[in-house]
Amino acid sequence: EDKVVQSPLSLVVHEGDTVTLNCSYEVTNFRSLLWYKQEKKAPTFLFMLTSSGIEKKSGRLSSILDKKELSSILNITATQTGDSAIYLCAVPTSGTYKYIFGTGTRLKVLA
Amino acid sequence: EPEVTQTPSHQVTQMGQEVILRCVPISNHLYFYWYRQILGQKVEFLVSFYNNEISEKSEIFDDQFSVERPDGSNFTLKIRSTKLEDSAMYFCASSPTGFTGELFFGEGSRLTVL
Repeated sequence: EDKVVQSPLSLVVHEGDTVTLNCSYEVTNFRSLLWYKQEKKAPTFLFMLTSSGIEKKSGRLSSILDKKELSSILNITATQTGDSAIYLCAVPTSGTYKYIFGTGTRLKVLA
Repeated sequence: EPEVTQTPSHQVTQMGQEVILRCVPISNHLYFYWYRQILGQKVEFLVSFYNNEISEKSEIFDDQFSVERPDGSNFTLKIRSTKLEDSAMYFCASSPTGFTGELFFGEGSRLTVL
């Protein structure tokens, strides 16, 4: 069965810390992996990864895919209180038209 | 910046009533979805839609659910006879590049069934 597992489930850090969030997946025919930030309501798109080893970067956030390890990491440097959110990872399942989501990592950044 | 819009933002209904949740996807997107998230749980796939027909639906999407694209802009989710367990946040999403491309979500419609 296809699945997505994220770790840790939750994380509390102080402003200025760097965090690394993990996403592992098991799908038969990998095509892409998406990262989202969910604050109060809708997940907001962060990155789409399709190729192993190529880092995607946006400001203090970056992400990279490792197809050999069937995983991806999301890094946030110099964290701010505004980074507090649930970070979701999603992967399209094999031969279907849907994404499955992990349970997310709840990040809390303290001032 | 173009965005997916959903209405209503919150609907409270009695068990057994019909509800329609509305979505306006981003205008040049062709792939549409409904997802839902029960409080504290994962985001779950309900249905995907392309070329005016359902491409795939989940086990959750039973005969009580239907989707429609009545005109060139709206995309609706209807629940015919709501149950308590239908209480959730319902997200509409659209994608420009196909079923493995980026998904852009609306702000969601919170459905509370009493």
